[in-house]
Amino acid sequence: DAGVIQSPRHEVTEMGQEVTLRCKPISGHDYLFWYRQTMMRGLELLIYFNNNVPIDDSGMPEDRFSAKMPNASFSTLKIQPSEPRDSAVYFCASSPGLAGQEQYFGPGTRLTVT
Amino acid sequence: QKEVEQNSGPLSVPEGAIASLNCTYSDRGSQSFFWYRQYSGKSPELIMFIYSNGDKEDGRFTAQLNKASQYVSLLIRDSQPSDSATYLCAVNRGGGADGLTFGKGTHLIIQP
Repeated sequence: DAGVIQSPRHEVTEMGQEVTLRCKPISGHDYLFWYRQTMMRGLELLIYFNNNVPIDDSGMPEDRFSAKMPNASFSTLKIQPSEPRDSAVYFCASSPGLAGQEQYFGPGTRLTVT
Repeated sequence: QKEVEQNSGPLSVPEGAIASLNCTYSDRGSQSFFWYRQYSGKSPELIMFIYSNGDKEDGRFTAQLNKASQYVSLLIRDSQPSDSATYLCAVNRGGGADGLTFGKGTHLIIQP
């Protein structure tokens, strides 16, 4: 299996612009998670999906953040408008769920907002 | 609020020795415990998971869980320079899958 795939790997944008991050989970995994990592706050859960349905979005910092999972093989995390404090590494992870709770991370997207 | 605490380090260990990494958690409802290794600039990589009290061994790695003390640890035997990384402890409530709560990690340095 190719593992979790994320794109783009790096994104540099100006404040106020819309940013869309993409994720393809491991085939057969029922759960998909979005995390954000910064030096100050460490790795934090933003939102997760089970069978394409959002289960817990309490970690989404503001209404500027939104996430969708239109099908089992694709999810997006969108930030609109972006701000410099959104600069971080965003990770997507997937898990087989009831068949196993281990989460496997993608390579991440390093976002820089200037 | 769920919290996971780790000593940030750096923890310096001579090559060939045992490295001991510790983690405490605040949520007594936590049921699943994970150790991830993260090299600089890379994504977290799952090393071990443990669900029951006691020890679980996998190669050079041993995870130890004590739910009464809300304590989980990772032992790395015969430490190698390639083990130098940040080790993240993570917990969740289990019962299916749930978002992980991570500690901020311990930076481990294996000295040749």
